Amino acid sequence: EVQLVESGGGLVQPGGSLRLSCVGSGFIFSGYWMNWVRQAPGKGLEWVANIKQDGSEKHYVDSVKGRFTISRDNARNSMYLQMNSLRAEDTALYYCAFSTTTAGCWGQGTLVTVSS
Amino acid sequence: QAGLTQPPSVSMGLGQTATLTCTGNSNNVGNQGAAWLQQHQGHPPKFLSSRNNKRPSGISERLSASRSGITASLTITGLQPEDEADYYCSAWDPSLNIWVFGGGTKLTVL
Repeated sequence: EVQLVESGGGLVQPGGSLRLSCVGSGFIFSGYWMNWVRQAPGKGLEWVANIKQDGSEKHYVDSVKGRFTISRDNARNSMYLQMNSLRAEDTALYYCAFSTTTAGCWGQGTLVTVSS
Repeated sequence: QAGLTQPPSVSMGLGQTATLTCTGNSNNVGNQGAAWLQQHQGHPPKFLSSRNNKRPSGISERLSASRSGITASLTITGLQPEDEADYYCSAWDPSLNIWVFGGGTKLTVL
């Protein structure tokens, strides 16, 4: 079964940091672009960042550039999102996901709450 | 980073057919097609259809996806109460190597 499992969310004060993790199983993790997508309470889905199969290319939504860093470790079938200088507007469920021409998969999400 | 356009809401009767639309541009939907997701309140998104309009195993045959130019569509026939949910389209933009989403359509089954 293809599966993605996120972890690392929690409550953090504004200006703080968190590191999210995503572990994949049931598929060849190193063969896919991987993405982080978030959903603020009561809002739609917003793509946050992605990383190429070998980690050589990364892209970010404008609102997180310079604050978030995406990385991956294919030996551990894992992807990460280092989030620094967190703001209240970063409060959301963060999902790990991939989508190709023929397939797709989403994790269950991990909740990040930025509040004092 | 402009997103895809979806109508905010669609309402149809039990047993009827609903068609949800998603409009992008020639780089994303027009080039790569669109995937569809279903999200019930309080649950994570569920993958319904790939960018080449294929359903994964376990997804009802009442759902079918298609594309014409820069507009993708998801058709749900024989509407059931469990079809009431938010539906999102997504597309890959190879010119930017980013993933774009629609704002979502809330489907109400009357």
